[in-house]
Amino acid sequence: AQTVTQSQPEMSVQEAETVTLSCTYDTSESDYYLFWYKQPPSRQMILVIRQEAYKQQNATENRFSVNFQKAAKSFSLKISDSQLGDAAMYFCAYRSGDGTASKLTFGTGTRLQVTL
Amino acid sequence: NAGVTQTPKFRILKIGQSMTLQCTQDMNHNYMYWYRQDPGMGLKLIYYSVGAGITDKGEVPNGYNVSRSTTEDFPLRLELAAPSQTSVYFCASSYGQGLTYEQYFGPGTRLTVT
Repeated sequence: AQTVTQSQPEMSVQEAETVTLSCTYDTSESDYYLFWYKQPPSRQMILVIRQEAYKQQNATENRFSVNFQKAAKSFSLKISDSQLGDAAMYFCAYRSGDGTASKLTFGTGTRLQVTL
Repeated sequence: NAGVTQTPKFRILKIGQSMTLQCTQDMNHNYMYWYRQDPGMGLKLIYYSVGAGITDKGEVPNGYNVSRSTTEDFPLRLELAAPSQTSVYFCASSYGQGLTYEQYFGPGTRLTVT
């Protein structure tokens, strides 16, 4: 079974600064997908960014980018120019690419605080 | 489009009671999922469905039942509620399995069993 580990329960960043959230995973599969979800206080799960394992190029979505290290099984999220609205729980998630239903395996989350 | 809707938003149950959490999506998605999120934890898959009439167990199915009679609806049934089922429950749906088919989540139902 796949596991996802987020070793930082909480992180803090000043507004306009950059922060990196860590995620590692364990899998024996070669084909899979990785995701970062944001969960604000409203509880709504919002997809931030996604990465295909077979793509070496790191995904980027505006201020959000990932550092995908397949050999190290690491998938960190970098938030640039942090904004107050970025404050939320962030979850790293794994999905197998084996053609079965798109079940997600989540990490335990990192709570991000953004300070003035 | 409303997306994925869940009812109720909050519920308190007594031990041994039963209830059904409702989930409806209006995006004509084939795949639907139920997750639970315990305090300070990530989401764990309870059950999922790949289409009407087809359901399968996820990681933590004990104490729950599901049915999928229509594409739109995927109710989750709790029989004989236990304190261990106190959690936030999320329903999600997706059109397919590829990377571009992201899962859309409902707003969640907070359930307390006392």
